Amino acid sequence: AQSVAQPEDQVNVAEGNPLTVKCTYSVSGNPYLFWYVQYPNRGLQFLLKYITGDNLVKGSYGFEAEFNKSQTSFHLKKPSALVSDSALYFCAVRDGDTGFQKLVFGTGTRLLVSP
Amino acid sequence: NAGVTQTPKFQVLKTGQSMTLQCAQDMNHEYMSWYRQDPGMGLRLIHYSVGAGITDQGEVPNGYNVSRSTTEDFPLRLLSAAPSQTSVYFCASSYSATAISGNTIYFGEGSWLTVV
Repeated sequence: AQSVAQPEDQVNVAEGNPLTVKCTYSVSGNPYLFWYVQYPNRGLQFLLKYITGDNLVKGSYGFEAEFNKSQTSFHLKKPSALVSDSALYFCAVRDGDTGFQKLVFGTGTRLLVSP
Repeated sequence: NAGVTQTPKFQVLKTGQSMTLQCAQDMNHEYMSWYRQDPGMGLRLIHYSVGAGITDQGEVPNGYNVSRSTTEDFPLRLLSAAPSQTSVYFCASSYSATAISGNTIYFGEGSWLTVV
């Protein structure tokens, strides 16, 4: 069975500082990993994904994520946080080897960027 | 290009009432699905479809029905609403249904449902 853990309910960072939102995963086959962002009263917006290839993936709005197979992690990062980055972030995974598209989501991490 | 469109955005139901949440996509996507979002639980898969005429259950299917008569539409029906179905519902779609494709899943704006 697939699973995702986001160990932090909330991350606080000052504007201009680097940010990291943590995610670890468990799948039996090859992991396909995704990050989504949700702004208040809005749907989920796709940020980036790892399917194969380079371990460092670059996505929308200056975000990037590093795939680490040995640590089964896919942490989301940004070098310099903006107040407008404040939102709810979800990590998701699916088994890329078998079956149909069924994303399993983490519980979400709220990012608060202070001015 | 409208993407994934959900209606209504907000709805209040009384216990025992039935209703249908509508979802449509205009991207000729093969895969469509419904998730519910609850505080502290992330998103959980209710039902999904890998093509017209084909549907299957997800993680939390009880109390919900779906059908896929066309590629574009994937309505979610609540048969007899219960307070436990108070949630935010998201419809999502993807070009390919197979996991190995690596295709991104795109989400609608959500439907906020309250059952009193």
